Amino acid sequence: GESVGLHLPTLSVQEGDNSIINCAYSNSASDYFIWYKQESGKGPQFIIDIRSNMDKRQGQRVTVLLNKTVKHLSLQIAATQPGDSAVYFCADLTGNQFYFGTGTSLTVIP
Amino acid sequence: GAVVSQHPSRVICKSGTSVKIECRSLDFQATTMFWYRQFPKQSLMLMATSNEGSKATYEQGVEKDKFLINHASLTLSTLTVTSAHPEDSSFYICSAPLQGATGELFFGEGSRLTVL
Repeated sequence: GESVGLHLPTLSVQEGDNSIINCAYSNSASDYFIWYKQESGKGPQFIIDIRSNMDKRQGQRVTVLLNKTVKHLSLQIAATQPGDSAVYFCADLTGNQFYFGTGTSLTVIP
Repeated sequence: GAVVSQHPSRVICKSGTSVKIECRSLDFQATTMFWYRQFPKQSLMLMATSNEGSKATYEQGVEKDKFLINHASLTLSTLTVTSAHPEDSSFYICSAPLQGATGELFFGEGSRLTVL
Protein backbone atom coordinates (compact mmCIF):
# COMPACT_ATOMS: atom_id res chain seq x y z
CA GLY A 1 0.00 0.00 0.00
CA GLU A 2 0.99 3.58 -0.44
CA SER A 3 -0.27 6.25 1.86
CA VAL A 4 -1.43 9.37 0.13
CA GLY A 5 -2.19 11.33 3.30
CA LEU A 6 -5.92 11.24 2.79
CA HIS A 7 -8.37 11.17 5.64
CA LEU A 8 -9.47 7.71 6.60
CA PRO A 9 -12.50 6.09 5.01
CA THR A 10 -14.95 4.81 7.57
CA LEU A 11 -16.97 1.65 7.95
CA SER A 12 -19.78 1.11 10.42
CA VAL A 13 -21.14 -2.34 11.17
CA GLN A 14 -23.65 -3.76 13.58
CA GLU A 15 -22.29 -5.87 16.39
CA GLY A 16 -22.38 -9.50 15.38
CA ASP A 17 -22.22 -8.80 11.65
CA ASN A 18 -19.22 -9.59 9.50
CA SER A 19 -16.87 -6.79 8.45
CA ILE A 20 -14.91 -6.58 5.24
CA ILE A 21 -12.10 -4.08 4.94
CA ASN A 22 -10.38 -3.60 1.62
CA CYS A 23 -6.95 -2.48 0.57
CA ALA A 24 -5.28 -1.95 -2.79
CA TYR A 25 -1.55 -2.10 -3.32
CA SER A 26 0.43 -0.83 -6.24
CA ASN A 27 3.62 -2.85 -6.45
CA SER A 28 3.16 -6.16 -8.22
CA ALA A 29 6.52 -7.28 -6.81
CA SER A 30 5.26 -7.12 -3.23
CA ASP A 31 5.37 -10.59 -1.74
CA TYR A 32 4.37 -10.15 1.87
CA PHE A 33 1.35 -8.41 3.33
CA ILE A 34 0.21 -7.64 6.85
CA TRP A 35 -2.98 -6.31 8.38
CA TYR A 36 -2.68 -4.12 11.46
CA LYS A 37 -5.17 -2.80 13.95
CA GLN A 38 -4.55 0.55 15.58
CA GLU A 39 -6.54 1.81 18.53
CA SER A 40 -6.62 5.48 19.33
CA GLY A 41 -3.33 6.78 20.69
CA LYS A 42 -1.57 3.45 20.39
CA GLY A 43 0.84 1.80 18.02
CA PRO A 44 -0.36 -0.67 15.39
CA GLN A 45 -0.90 -4.28 16.41
CA PHE A 46 -0.30 -7.22 14.12
CA ILE A 47 -3.47 -9.09 13.15
CA ILE A 48 -2.61 -11.46 10.35
CA ASP A 49 -0.21 -11.79 7.45
CA ILE A 50 -0.12 -13.51 4.11
CA ARG A 51 2.56 -14.25 1.55
CA SER A 52 2.08 -13.90 -2.16
CA ASN A 53 2.11 -17.64 -2.75
CA MET A 54 -1.21 -17.86 -0.94
CA ASP A 55 -4.62 -16.37 -1.69
CA LYS A 56 -6.29 -16.96 1.64
CA ARG A 57 -5.28 -17.26 5.24
CA GLN A 58 -7.43 -17.66 8.31
CA GLY A 59 -6.90 -16.69 11.88
CA GLN A 60 -9.16 -16.44 14.86
CA ARG A 61 -12.27 -14.62 13.57
CA VAL A 62 -10.20 -13.02 10.81
CA THR A 63 -9.52 -14.03 7.24
CA VAL A 64 -7.23 -12.32 4.76
CA LEU A 65 -7.79 -12.70 1.05
CA LEU A 66 -5.19 -11.79 -1.54
CA ASN A 67 -5.98 -11.22 -5.20
CA LYS A 68 -2.70 -10.66 -6.97
CA THR A 69 -4.34 -10.21 -10.34
CA VAL A 70 -6.00 -6.97 -9.29
CA LYS A 71 -3.55 -6.21 -6.48
CA HIS A 72 -6.21 -6.28 -3.83
CA LEU A 73 -6.19 -7.39 -0.23
CA SER A 74 -9.13 -7.77 2.10
CA LEU A 75 -9.62 -8.43 5.79
CA GLN A 76 -12.75 -10.16 6.91
CA ILE A 77 -13.76 -10.04 10.56
CA ALA A 78 -16.41 -12.50 11.61
CA ALA A 79 -19.00 -11.66 14.26
CA THR A 80 -17.65 -8.17 14.78
CA GLN A 81 -17.43 -7.05 18.37
CA PRO A 82 -17.25 -3.57 19.95
CA GLY A 83 -13.60 -4.24 20.77
CA ASP A 84 -12.91 -4.47 17.06
CA SER A 85 -13.55 -0.74 16.68
CA ALA A 86 -10.23 0.69 15.52
CA VAL A 87 -8.35 1.77 12.43
CA TYR A 88 -7.14 -1.04 10.21
CA PHE A 89 -4.15 -0.76 7.92
CA CYS A 90 -2.72 -3.05 5.35
CA ALA A 91 1.00 -2.99 4.70
CA ASP A 92 3.01 -4.52 1.93
CA LEU A 93 6.66 -5.32 1.79
CA THR A 94 8.38 -3.54 -1.08
CA GLY A 95 12.06 -4.31 -1.20
CA ASN A 96 13.13 -4.13 2.41
CA GLN A 97 10.50 -1.64 3.52
CA PHE A 98 6.91 -1.79 4.60
CA TYR A 99 4.47 0.74 3.22
CA PHE A 100 1.04 1.31 4.65
CA GLY A 101 -2.29 1.78 2.97
CA THR A 102 -4.58 4.65 3.82
CA GLY A 103 -6.39 2.72 6.51
CA THR A 104 -10.04 2.24 7.34
CA SER A 105 -11.74 3.35 10.52
CA LEU A 106 -14.11 0.62 11.72
CA THR A 107 -16.91 1.48 14.13
CA VAL A 108 -18.97 -1.30 15.65
CA ILE A 109 -22.47 -0.32 16.63
CA PRO A 110 -23.72 -2.17 19.72
CA GLY B 1 5.84 -12.58 21.57
CA ALA B 2 8.33 -10.06 20.36
CA VAL B 3 8.06 -6.64 21.95
CA VAL B 4 9.18 -3.24 20.82
CA SER B 5 9.31 -0.54 23.45
CA GLN B 6 9.19 3.14 22.67
CA HIS B 7 9.98 5.98 25.05
CA PRO B 8 8.74 8.52 25.91
CA SER B 9 5.11 7.94 25.12
CA ARG B 10 4.34 11.64 25.40
CA VAL B 11 6.57 14.66 25.30
CA ILE B 12 5.85 18.35 25.27
CA CYS B 13 8.63 20.76 24.47
CA LYS B 14 9.22 24.36 23.58
CA SER B 15 9.90 25.45 20.06
CA GLY B 16 13.59 25.32 19.24
CA THR B 17 14.49 22.47 21.56
CA SER B 18 15.51 18.99 20.52
CA VAL B 19 13.69 15.84 21.51
CA LYS B 20 14.99 12.29 21.50
CA ILE B 21 12.73 9.27 21.11
CA GLU B 22 14.03 5.79 21.84
CA CYS B 23 12.95 2.54 20.24
CA ARG B 24 14.08 -0.74 21.78
CA SER B 25 13.57 -4.32 20.75
CA LEU B 26 13.18 -6.09 24.08
CA ASP B 27 13.61 -9.76 23.31
CA PHE B 28 15.14 -9.89 19.87
CA GLN B 29 17.87 -8.22 17.90
CA ALA B 30 16.91 -5.78 15.21
CA THR B 31 19.49 -4.80 12.63
CA THR B 32 16.80 -2.75 10.94
CA MET B 33 14.18 -0.52 12.47
CA PHE B 34 11.67 1.76 10.82
CA TRP B 35 10.46 5.17 11.88
CA TYR B 36 7.00 6.41 10.95
CA ARG B 37 5.10 9.59 11.43
CA GLN B 38 1.36 9.72 11.73
CA PHE B 39 -0.95 12.72 11.60
CA PRO B 40 -4.45 12.51 13.07
CA LYS B 41 -6.84 10.42 11.02
CA GLN B 42 -4.12 9.52 8.56
CA SER B 43 -1.97 6.56 7.75
CA LEU B 44 1.59 5.89 8.80
CA MET B 45 4.17 7.63 6.69
CA LEU B 46 7.56 5.96 6.53
CA MET B 47 10.23 8.49 7.43
CA ALA B 48 13.40 6.46 7.44
CA THR B 49 14.95 3.06 7.80
CA SER B 50 17.43 2.77 10.62
CA ASN B 51 20.33 0.40 10.07
CA GLU B 52 22.56 -0.84 12.85
CA GLY B 53 26.12 0.24 12.29
CA SER B 54 25.45 2.37 9.24
CA LYS B 55 23.62 5.49 8.17
CA ALA B 56 19.88 5.62 8.08
CA THR B 57 18.02 5.67 4.80
CA TYR B 58 15.58 8.55 4.56
CA GLU B 59 12.44 8.71 2.49
CA GLN B 60 12.10 11.45 -0.06
CA GLY B 61 11.14 14.73 1.51
CA VAL B 62 12.37 13.86 5.01
CA GLU B 63 15.16 16.12 6.21
CA LYS B 64 17.96 14.00 7.61
CA ASP B 65 19.44 16.95 9.52
CA LYS B 66 16.08 17.59 11.10
CA PHE B 67 15.34 14.03 12.07
CA LEU B 68 18.56 12.47 13.28
CA ILE B 69 18.56 8.70 13.53
CA ASN B 70 21.13 6.67 15.40
CA HIS B 71 21.08 2.89 15.53
CA ALA B 72 23.78 2.36 18.11
CA SER B 73 23.13 -1.27 18.97
CA LEU B 74 21.15 -4.27 17.83
CA THR B 75 18.35 -3.37 20.23
CA LEU B 76 18.22 0.42 20.18
CA SER B 77 17.43 3.07 17.61
CA THR B 78 16.87 6.72 18.46
CA LEU B 79 15.12 9.49 16.58
CA THR B 80 16.06 13.03 17.52
CA VAL B 81 13.86 15.84 16.31
CA THR B 82 16.24 18.79 16.24
CA SER B 83 15.13 22.37 16.76
CA ALA B 84 11.54 21.26 16.96
CA HIS B 85 8.76 23.52 15.74
CA PRO B 86 4.99 23.28 16.14
CA GLU B 87 4.64 21.68 12.70
CA ASP B 88 6.75 18.79 13.98
CA SER B 89 4.02 17.93 16.44
CA SER B 90 2.89 14.45 15.54
CA PHE B 91 2.71 10.82 16.56
CA TYR B 92 5.99 9.06 15.91
CA ILE B 93 6.07 5.28 15.74
CA CYS B 94 8.96 2.88 15.41
CA SER B 95 8.89 -0.71 14.29
CA ALA B 96 11.28 -3.61 13.95
CA PRO B 97 11.02 -6.76 11.87
CA LEU B 98 11.44 -9.99 13.80
CA GLN B 99 13.68 -11.71 11.28
CA GLY B 100 15.93 -9.50 9.23
CA ALA B 101 14.32 -6.79 7.15
CA THR B 102 11.48 -8.90 5.81
CA GLY B 103 10.04 -10.61 8.83
CA GLU B 104 6.90 -9.89 10.77
CA LEU B 105 6.89 -6.28 11.86
CA PHE B 106 6.37 -5.29 15.48
CA PHE B 107 5.55 -1.78 16.56
CA GLY B 108 6.27 0.39 19.50
CA GLU B 109 3.41 2.12 21.25
CA GLY B 110 4.25 5.43 19.64
CA SER B 111 5.42 8.79 20.97
CA ARG B 112 3.15 11.82 20.94
CA LEU B 113 5.24 14.95 20.41
CA THR B 114 3.71 18.34 21.06
CA VAL B 115 5.81 21.38 20.31
CA LEU B 116 4.58 24.59 21.86
